[in-house]
Amino acid sequence: DGGITQSPKYLFRKEGQNVTLSCEQNLNHDAMYWYRQDPGQGLRLIYYSQIVNDFQKGDIAEGYSVSREKKESFPLTVTSAQKNPTAFYLCASSMFGGGIADTQYFGPGTRLTVL
Amino acid sequence: AQKITQTQPGMFVQEKEAVTLDCTYDTSDPSYGLFWYKQPSSGEMIFLIYQGSYDQQNATEGRYSLNFQKARKSANLVISASQLGDSAMYFCAMRGRDDKIIFGKGTRLHILP
Repeated sequence: DGGITQSPKYLFRKEGQNVTLSCEQNLNHDAMYWYRQDPGQGLRLIYYSQIVNDFQKGDIAEGYSVSREKKESFPLTVTSAQKNPTAFYLCASSMFGGGIADTQYFGPGTRLTVL
Repeated sequence: AQKITQTQPGMFVQEKEAVTLDCTYDTSDPSYGLFWYKQPSSGEMIFLIYQGSYDQQNATEGRYSLNFQKARKSANLVISASQLGDSAMYFCAMRGRDDKIIFGKGTRLHILP
């Protein structure tokens, strides 16, 4: 079955720790994205990548870092510099990374809680 | 600047009735795409339907249809014959010339038995 997997489903972090959220896709999509969702809110873009070894900042990139060494994988690191990291994180992918009809498909999400 | 507005924070609908979820948008791009996603309590965002700004006909996907009124900048989602499993958050989204997708704040739909 083709799809997007995220792990872990739940993650607890102590203050001052970096944590890495995993995102893998087997849809052969070129583009991948990371979003943050806070309670009662829509999604805000953190980072996106349209091609391997390249990525761009989204609207709220401060305190986060990413890498794209393989087409299938786009891990997100939440650093200790992120002041309020408790949120629900969603990874998505799309076939082309451009064009108005390029639909994004989402993974199941990771819920991060800072203790 | 592009903007998506969903004015209904919550809705309660009787099972088997039709539902209309409102979405208005603002953009200066002549070409754009509109999307609807469903987010059940599990959290995953499920793609429902797409409408392109130049599409002549309203999009339909099974029980979902998109009531696209370009002059009013409106892209309402219509769910026919609602089911209990339709209870979820619904997000309207738009993709413009800059290739970024922006999302509305969502509408929580409750289907009553």
